[in-house]
Amino acid sequence: DAGVIQSPRHEVTEMGQEVTLRCKPISGHNSLFWYRQTMMRGLELLIYFNNNVPIDDSGMPEDRFSAKMPNASFSTLKIQPSEPRDSAVYFCASRLSGFAETQYFGPGTRLLVL
Amino acid sequence: DAKTTQPPSMDCAEGRAANLPCNHSTISGNEYVYWYRQIHSQGPQYIIHGLKNNETNEMASLIITEDRKSSTLILPHATLRDTAVYYCIVRASHGSSNTGKLIFGQGTTLQVKP
Repeated sequence: DAGVIQSPRHEVTEMGQEVTLRCKPISGHNSLFWYRQTMMRGLELLIYFNNNVPIDDSGMPEDRFSAKMPNASFSTLKIQPSEPRDSAVYFCASRLSGFAETQYFGPGTRLLVL
Repeated sequence: DAKTTQPPSMDCAEGRAANLPCNHSTISGNEYVYWYRQIHSQGPQYIIHGLKNNETNEMASLIITEDRKSSTLILPHATLRDTAVYYCIVRASHGSSNTGKLIFGQGTTLQVKP
């Protein structure tokens, strides 16, 4: 099992640019989560999907952030336009719904916005 | 979901048992206790969870008090690789209405020393 796959692992961009983060969940999992981690705010849930449908996006900071899950094996988190305060580590996690809260996290994408 | 309280940091000697406490005095009857950990520069990793009985797996043991207001995660023989931030999370029971949301606090930074 390859686990949750995220790309890119590192991203450096300039303020105002569009950033797209990608996630491939574990095969067979039907829930997917996007988290953001910073020193100041810790680990925060941004949005999660059940069966490709967004269930709760209350953690999405503002309209500059958007997430999609076009199919069960792929999700994107887009920031447009990016700002320096978006610099953080973004984690994707997946879970098989109905089997407790055993979420499996990817290695994360380290984003730096200059 | 019930709030949890953990000490910010703890030390443990290599080879000894690490006992990490967590208070969750407002826990409800249908809420489980989950433990995750995050090793530096990695995504969080599920460790164990329980409702009211003590649980053990290949990673750790979970001891929940009879009144369920507190619990202790035990790493029986800590190694240097167990140095990480440990998160105690209380979450409603899983089921068809389960929405999968985990709220991570600040956790306990465990430093295992040689």
